[in-house]
Amino acid sequence: DQQVKQNSPSLSVQEGRISILNCDYTNSMFDYFLWYKKYPAEGPTFLISISSIKDKNEDGRFTVFLNKSAKHLSLHIVPSQPGDSAVYFCAATFSQGAQKLVFGQGTRLTINP
Amino acid sequence: DTAVSQTPKYLVTQMGNDKSIKCEQNLGHDTMYWYKQDSKKFLKIMFSYNNKELIINETVPNRFSPKSPDKAHLNLHINSLELGDSAVYFCASSQVPGPNEKLFFGSGTQLSVL
Repeated sequence: DQQVKQNSPSLSVQEGRISILNCDYTNSMFDYFLWYKKYPAEGPTFLISISSIKDKNEDGRFTVFLNKSAKHLSLHIVPSQPGDSAVYFCAATFSQGAQKLVFGQGTRLTINP
Repeated sequence: DTAVSQTPKYLVTQMGNDKSIKCEQNLGHDTMYWYKQDSKKFLKIMFSYNNKELIINETVPNRFSPKSPDKAHLNLHINSLELGDSAVYFCASSQVPGPNEKLFFGSGTQLSVL
């Protein structure tokens, strides 16, 4: 039973537009959420995170929104750039105890020039 | 100068063989992990070590045995390989084991069991 799901395997966006990647989770005890980005033949790299005490966190062109009642988070990238083309993984964890990230299956984002 | 390096990058082997994947980090981190990316692309944690001590051991078959000779290294030994072990295995590290810590991943080892 997958506790974190990214239901869109792929997304294609025009350069300069907004990219919105979505993620749903089922375990209401998760209280810390992260996004990782992965290029081909590389490992995932940390992008942005959010604690459940917040509903928004922004870092430059990247903003993560958290809707706890809907158990949903989203990553907004604006404006989208060709270098943003990658696979994006959503992950969730508990703020207590050792880190044990639960990842979604990723969304492949393609930015078209 | 790669922060988290794992070898080999590709590993093709026959069922029943024993193989090892090595991982080293030069970030001075205390905590290291093994994650497995299965055929459905989910990344799942297998093990975590903090300063050479095992702190997370998910429901992984005991054919998988991690070994941490020092806090910069975490190797994964797999006995009696099975077809279902085919996956990409990622090593990662973080400064400390806390949940808010960023993970730094290696580039992965693609294991194919024939």
